[in-house]
Amino acid sequence: EDQVTQSPEALRLQEGESSSLNCSYTVSGLRGLFWYRQDPGKGPEFLFTLYSAGEEKEKERLKATLTKKESFLHITAPKPEDSATYLCAVQAEGVTQGGSEKLVFGKGTKLTVNP
Amino acid sequence: GAVVSQHPSRVICKSGTSVKIECRSLDFQATTMFWYRQFPKQSLMLMATSNEGSKATYEQGVEKDKFLINHASLTLSTLTVTSAHPEDSSFYICSARRGLVGEQYFGPGTRLTVT
Repeated sequence: EDQVTQSPEALRLQEGESSSLNCSYTVSGLRGLFWYRQDPGKGPEFLFTLYSAGEEKEKERLKATLTKKESFLHITAPKPEDSATYLCAVQAEGVTQGGSEKLVFGKGTKLTVNP
Repeated sequence: GAVVSQHPSRVICKSGTSVKIECRSLDFQATTMFWYRQFPKQSLMLMATSNEGSKATYEQGVEKDKFLINHASLTLSTLTVTSAHPEDSSFYICSARRGLVGEQYFGPGTRLTVT
């Protein structure tokens, strides 16, 4: 059973067309929810950490929000350079490996912003 | 801050040889380091978790004798792919975390091609 589900799988926007990406999770004992951006052929780049429901964080055109069941990554007036795959991951109590709590990743949303 | 490097970025080797990949946290001490593998158009697959000075813990299905991980210091972890075969060709990414919880910072990845 998937613990982290991202939707949509792919999203095409026109430059300036705002939208949201969804990440729903079913883990209990959430330690943190993380958003990353990954460009082709590169490692994920850290964007945000959210720890509790109601928390919001912003960075440039991106805003991440968190509820008890899901997180949204809002993209306002996107530009072509925002095109990337956006990954959501959760860290939860008891989901461990080697004594350390590991991240459980969603499959990502591939965002394409056309000029 | 929170920069993670990987070396090499690309490597081509012949079947049967071994390849070592280095992962370094450049500006912080990493209590825990992780190694991931990523296939084309798929999300990250955790291979193993390592804590400094301890043996790595491998995910189910990952051969520990094939993928040797050493976490010799708080800033360096290495992954050695032993007796590499074409099916080991993949994108390998490491990440590092300061403590037991919190965000992981990823390296840029290493593209391994086994011929």
